[in-house]
Amino acid sequence: LAKTTQPISMDSYEGQEVNITCSHNNIATNDYITWYQQFPSQGPRFIIQGYKTKVTNEVASLFIPADRKSSTLSLPRVSLSDTAVYYCLVLRPDGGATNKLIFGTGTLLAVQP
Amino acid sequence: EAQVTQNPRYLITVTGKKLTVTCSQNMNHEYMSWYRQDPGLGLRQIYYSMNVEVTDKGDVPEGYKVSRKEKRNFPLILESPSPNQTSLYFCASSSGTRAYNEQFFGPGTRLTVL
Repeated sequence: LAKTTQPISMDSYEGQEVNITCSHNNIATNDYITWYQQFPSQGPRFIIQGYKTKVTNEVASLFIPADRKSSTLSLPRVSLSDTAVYYCLVLRPDGGATNKLIFGTGTLLAVQP
Repeated sequence: EAQVTQNPRYLITVTGKKLTVTCSQNMNHEYMSWYRQDPGLGLRQIYYSMNVEVTDKGDVPEGYKVSRKEKRNFPLILESPSPNQTSLYFCASSSGTRAYNEQFFGPGTRLTVL
């Protein structure tokens, strides 16, 4: 499994765009990048998944450069309710050598008024 | 309503007293898994199951047992709980047999072992 590195925490203000970057230098050809969001005392929730270039849904955008060694989760115009921990995972559709999920400690995003 | 349920939601027990935390999903999902979450250590996978009668270890399986006799249920068993198993536990399920697929998490079980 490709190891991921993301900032421990980030601060923002309501209405701003927030970009959280994840580094995955040893990502394999078959790997996809997946992001989850977790609010305090709740289970994580899937946000977005992508392989290359840009993926957008109603919640966020995911930018993946050509070399795929990093990715950026973009949250447009955040509100206080976006305060959460965001996890970046690298996963393979066929499961690869292991079918585990490794969440790590994620990035704690704190949105202030 | 499609959901993953866990019971109990809160449990206080004593060292050595066997306990089971149940997990059930009504989405006909193949993949189910258990996690524990501890401050500073993040979310760690304990066990996972790709289908009935198929289970495998996650990153922190020591001290836990699981079984998958039915597709919808995936109980977590602590045969002899110890204080270091005090934690917040989450169960999750997903369609398909791969971790790659979107995981749906239960509400969590907060366990305290005295």
